Amino acid sequence: SQQGEEDPQALSIQEGENATMNCSYKTSINNLQWYRQNSGRGLVHLILIRSNEREKHSGRLRVTLDTSKKSSSLLITASRAADTASYFCATDTGANSKLTFGKGITLSVRP
Amino acid sequence: NAGVTQTPKFQVLKTGQSMTLQCAQDMNHNSMYWYRQDPGMGLRLIYYSASEGTTDKGEVPNGYNVSRLNKREFSLRLESAAPSQTSVYFCASSGWGFNQPQHFGDGTRLSIL
Repeated sequence: SQQGEEDPQALSIQEGENATMNCSYKTSINNLQWYRQNSGRGLVHLILIRSNEREKHSGRLRVTLDTSKKSSSLLITASRAADTASYFCATDTGANSKLTFGKGITLSVRP
Repeated sequence: NAGVTQTPKFQVLKTGQSMTLQCAQDMNHNSMYWYRQDPGMGLRLIYYSASEGTTDKGEVPNGYNVSRLNKREFSLRLESAAPSQTSVYFCASSGWGFNQPQHFGDGTRLSIL
């Protein structure tokens, strides 16, 4: 069963614009993680935010977590063509660090 | 750093054939995972191994078996392949403890005719 649900399913922006992606989930979590997947490749971990954290930054990435609304957002600032990929949120409920993934968001950044 | 290595990268099978997908990690991770990725479905956990010597079922285990051969290697076996098992299979590993990210291989693309 899918724990995380990303929104929108697809996003197309111009290079230099910001991209915002949202994730909602259903049950209590230990942490929430975002991953990127380039075409034909495996997933790459981007950022992890713990349940007691509200915001986290890593380079051009900003992640927020609202546990009361069971939602998270990923902001990519000043997007580049190389950011074109699929992005997944994944929730960790603390049981053996198993992750439950959403269906993903396809981001296209036009040069 | 090789990270997580999966073999083979591509495979075509006929219905009823068997095969084993191999996965090895060189990060000294305790936990290893097998997922399948289907269009529009995201990743679904097939089996996982929290530590050497233990394996447990995930969300979609039917039709699969696994072996945690040692700390480095975790294999996935299809005993009698079915067309519904056509998918991209990913292996991942993570370190010990809470709040650990997972590290993924580049996948095995499996087609069953």
